[in-house]
Amino acid sequence: EVQLVESGGGLVQPGGSLRLSCAASGFTLSGYWMHWVRQVPGKGLEWVSRINGDSRKRHYADSVQGRFTISRDNAKNTLYLQLNSLRGEDTAVYYCGRDHYGYNSIDYWGQGVLISVSS
Amino acid sequence: DGVVTQSPLSLPVTLGQPASISCRSSQSLAHSDGNTYLSWFQQRPGQSPRRLIYKVSNRDSGVPDRFSGSGSGTDFTLKISRVEAEDVGIYYCMQGTHWPWTFGQGTKVEIK
Repeated sequence: EVQLVESGGGLVQPGGSLRLSCAASGFTLSGYWMHWVRQVPGKGLEWVSRINGDSRKRHYADSVQGRFTISRDNAKNTLYLQLNSLRGEDTAVYYCGRDHYGYNSIDYWGQGVLISVSS
Repeated sequence: DGVVTQSPLSLPVTLGQPASISCRSSQSLAHSDGNTYLSWFQQRPGQSPRRLIYKVSNRDSGVPDRFSGSGSGTDFTLKISRVEAEDVGIYYCMQGTHWPWTFGQGTKVEIK
């Protein structure tokens, strides 16, 4: 069974940093692109970032470019998102998701982790 | 960015009755590879999104057959043939044709 479990969320001050983790199980992480998607509480979904299997390709939404860094450790079956220079508008639930290769979609989602940026 | 617009944003439905959600894109979602990448997700209260449909009309494993997707070009529809209580939640379309992928605003389905 495919499972994605995020961790690392919490309250952080504006300008601060945080690292999210997404532990994957039930499939071989190295074979998949992986995504981060966020959702402001009570609002819609926003794609944030993606990374390919060998980490050679990484893409970011304009809203986080230069502040967030996606990475992965396939040996540990874990995806990461390093969030720097955090702003109030980054407050959201962050989901990791597995890419459905060839179908330009996300087939499995984690349960999400909340990041609150506030002083 | 490819903008996708859903309607209605709120959809009260009587149990057992059909429901239909529209998703319209600002540009055609027909990819140069010949495919159209439009997915539908369901988000039940307090849960993470769950995919129902991919590539316009392909239902995910375990998704009841009362859910169906259709459309082409810029206009797409998710239909629920007979709404059940467990279908309450917010439904999102997502286009995967143009980068970056973008989601509709969501349609809240509730029981009358």
